Amino acid sequence: GIQVEQSPPDLILQEGANSTLRCNFSDSVNNLQWFHQNPWGQLINLFYIPSGTKQNGRLSATTVATERYSLLYISSSQTTDSGVYFCAVAGGGSYIPTFGRGTSLIVHP
Amino acid sequence: DTEVTQTPKHLVMGMTNKKSLKCEQHMGHRAMYWYKQKAKKPPELMFVYSYEKLSINESVPSRFSPECPNSSLLNLHLHALQPEDSALYLCASSQDRGFFRGYTFGSGTRLTVV
Repeated sequence: GIQVEQSPPDLILQEGANSTLRCNFSDSVNNLQWFHQNPWGQLINLFYIPSGTKQNGRLSATTVATERYSLLYISSSQTTDSGVYFCAVAGGGSYIPTFGRGTSLIVHP
Repeated sequence: DTEVTQTPKHLVMGMTNKKSLKCEQHMGHRAMYWYKQKAKKPPELMFVYSYEKLSINESVPSRFSPECPNSSLLNLHLHALQPEDSALYLCASSQDRGFFRGYTFGSGTRLTVV
């Protein structure tokens, strides 16, 4: 199956800082999504981005499918951005998503 | 309505108890999923229902029994669980079977087996 690696595993920021989270995957994918899991466990879908670039407020994402990676940018971070960010992909004939191990983000005030 | 609602939010049960988790969506989605998530790990798929039929069972022990009474409702019946089954149980739904745009998770049931 597809392997998904996320980096960094942990990230600590001061409020207002910018950050880039990376997701590498081992095979071609036809679907890639970024999720944010808040400290209470809720998984929120941030982006559906199998290719290209999207922006939503302070968040943006870019997927370069030919080079098998995706990046999530967080600008002007806020304490509410804390939580775990998961990248999940599907491809190779399977519709079952494979999740990366996540990046745990803590934003201090 | 763009939500997946799970109840209860928290559950503590003994190893001899029988309990059920409930998941409901009214987005017209025809695929529903149960995931299990241990602390500091990604979600792991347990079951997939597509058009109210069990499509995938990821080798889950029989003490977990899913049920899909209709297209909006998904249950997970629990019986004779072990302490290692303590986890966050997440329900998700999507328009059709597949990892499409609009894959929506509920807020989960935090289960503790004592």
